[in-house]
Amino acid sequence: ETGVTQTPRHLVMGMTNKKSLKCEQHLGHNAMYWYKQSAKKPLELMFVYSLEERVENNSVPSRFSPECPNSSHLFLHLHTLQPEDSALYLCASSQEASGSSSYNEQFFGPGTRLTVL
Amino acid sequence: GDSVTQMEGPVTLSEEAFLTINCTYTATGYPSLFWYVQYPGEGLQLLLKATKADDKGSNKGFEATYRKETTSFHLEKGSVQVSDSAVYFCALNNAGNMLTFGGGTRLMVKP
Repeated sequence: ETGVTQTPRHLVMGMTNKKSLKCEQHLGHNAMYWYKQSAKKPLELMFVYSLEERVENNSVPSRFSPECPNSSHLFLHLHTLQPEDSALYLCASSQEASGSSSYNEQFFGPGTRLTVL
Repeated sequence: GDSVTQMEGPVTLSEEAFLTINCTYTATGYPSLFWYVQYPGEGLQLLLKATKADDKGSNKGFEATYRKETTSFHLEKGSVQVSDSAVYFCALNNAGNMLTFGGGTRLMVKP
């Protein structure tokens, strides 16, 4: 148990559906991340939120829409996805020191296994 | 840009065998290096890290040494157990809190 929970753990959706993935961290961290883990590909960073502001968006298609209402919660809204979007979506959190360029450990949730039909 | 290359798996070993998983990197400057482990059905966990050249990270019997001259950070364990079966990811951090991951190496340990 890392202190980062994700729901649902498994999701099957059609290409016309709209769904949301939820992440919650109980560690008091101020930064949260969404990663995509596909078979036979390196882990891809999708979005980063620091102090509830989006600071990184790695050329992710607009059919993925993140939301960070507070420092403990992170959502990924999904709509009109494609079969190639099927993957494990991982959430992580960390504590960033203001103005610091040093690395602080990221804690990962168990992921949501998404299948797009 | 930065990149991390790992040996492709799966790596299949018998219990108590010696483990090496190779990792090399390309990066400007002086990155920090990490090994993460992902057990079945779980997210990634930090296994060990090294922040400067010649540092050795170690945890749970695993070790890795930061070799700047060969840009490598190979993971080793002297005697693996069935419970070590997992996917291992090498990663680097070059600025702020962003990580660059390798493709992962699946380890399977048989009794």
